[in-house]
Amino acid sequence: DTAVSQTPKYLVTQMGNDKSIKCEQNLGHDTMYWYKQDSKKFLKIMFSYNNKELIINETVPNRFSPKSPDKAHLNLHINSLELGDSAVYFCASSQEPVPAYGYTFGSGTRLTVV
Amino acid sequence: GDSVTQMEGPVTLSEEACLTINCTYTATGYPSLFWYVQYPGEGLQLLLKATKADDKGSNKGFEATYRKETTSFHLEKGSVQVSDSAVYFCALVTGGGNKLTFGTGTQLKVEL
Repeated sequence: DTAVSQTPKYLVTQMGNDKSIKCEQNLGHDTMYWYKQDSKKFLKIMFSYNNKELIINETVPNRFSPKSPDKAHLNLHINSLELGDSAVYFCASSQEPVPAYGYTFGSGTRLTVV
Repeated sequence: GDSVTQMEGPVTLSEEACLTINCTYTATGYPSLFWYVQYPGEGLQLLLKATKADDKGSNKGFEATYRKETTSFHLEKGSVQVSDSAVYFCALVTGGGNKLTFGTGTQLKVEL
């Protein structure tokens, strides 16, 4: 299936741990994104990469570090996890031009920090 | 900066009722407008879009018209079903940009 796939789907971890979320797309898109959805469903962009180059870096704690080894993958590493990091994290990808096509989203990773 | 304002939810309707979810926007330039739907436990799916003024996007019985004069993109459906229960997000991106700006989402509950 052509899609944006994220792993893991659920992640429960203790405060202070370091964890990674992986994202892969096989749509041939050049641009990938990470969004955070809080408990009230509000969506906020965190990062965007275009062909392995960082193009959007919103105000996010530097404990969050994206890595894009190639244009089909965008991973999110989080150091020293805090309770406030609990959320659903969505990966997305887009083809150009974005105004014509929008994004394709993954199914999300629900992160719970205890 | 760009912003999207949606009506607060939850919106609760009986099956076969008419639906309108209001969305207004503020943007520099001429944005493209989108509606995304998020079913419980799932990611966001593109429902419909419109890329210029007076365009009407439609899909699965839903429709929305890009109204430049009122800066609005209201989502409508003539007869909702229980399976339409989800959270609906209005979003925009301005020309030449990559960043989708979302509204806060409106939860729709449809009951028998």
